[in-house]
Amino acid sequence: GAGVSQSPRYKVAKRGQDVALRCDPISGHVSLFWYQQALGQGPEFLTYFQNEAQLDKSGLPSDRFFAERPEGSVSTLKIQRTQQEDSAVYLCASSLSGFYNEQFFGPGTRLTVL
Amino acid sequence: GIQVEQSPPDLILQEGANSTLRCNFSDSVNNLQWFHQNPWGQLINLFYIPSGTKQNGRLSATTVATERYSLLYISSSQTTDSGVYFCAVESELTGGGNKLTFGTGTQLKVEL
Repeated sequence: GAGVSQSPRYKVAKRGQDVALRCDPISGHVSLFWYQQALGQGPEFLTYFQNEAQLDKSGLPSDRFFAERPEGSVSTLKIQRTQQEDSAVYLCASSLSGFYNEQFFGPGTRLTVL
Repeated sequence: GIQVEQSPPDLILQEGANSTLRCNFSDSVNNLQWFHQNPWGQLINLFYIPSGTKQNGRLSATTVATERYSLLYISSSQTTDSGVYFCAVESELTGGGNKLTFGTGTQLKVEL
């Protein structure tokens, strides 16, 4: 079976542009997570969905960040009015269900804001 | 929140050598995973090991939950083992127990 996929793999945006990053979880996985990884750091949690419900968005750094998963499968992370500090790798992960299950990660989207 | 520290931060090995990577965490955990992040950035699952010992080929891991640490053993290292090794934990302290908190990572380089 296919793993978690993300697109695009690389995105270059000019400061102030809006971007949308897509995640396709493993088929049948109920839970979906977004993480942000800055250069030289470990990934940091952004937000979590169980099916279509966003149960935790405590890691989103500002109100410019918005995530959705309208049909409980594909998810989109949107960043409005991008800033240079948003430059990072955005990782998506999925697991069978919410609590204490192994998470599997996609290849990430590397966002560079100029 | 929970603190996760890994040691050593950097490690250089000759091919064929063995090594032990350590992960310490500050409170009880319900999930612990070890990952290898390869040079292309992909996080590869190594072990899901909230407690006990597991082995997979040249790799093995042990988590002693009561003492709040986990160890990753790499035997007969190969150049393809190079990359960053992360442990990540899920804890009720992180407010709901769903998010992974990653450690500081160990950068491993295996030389010929």
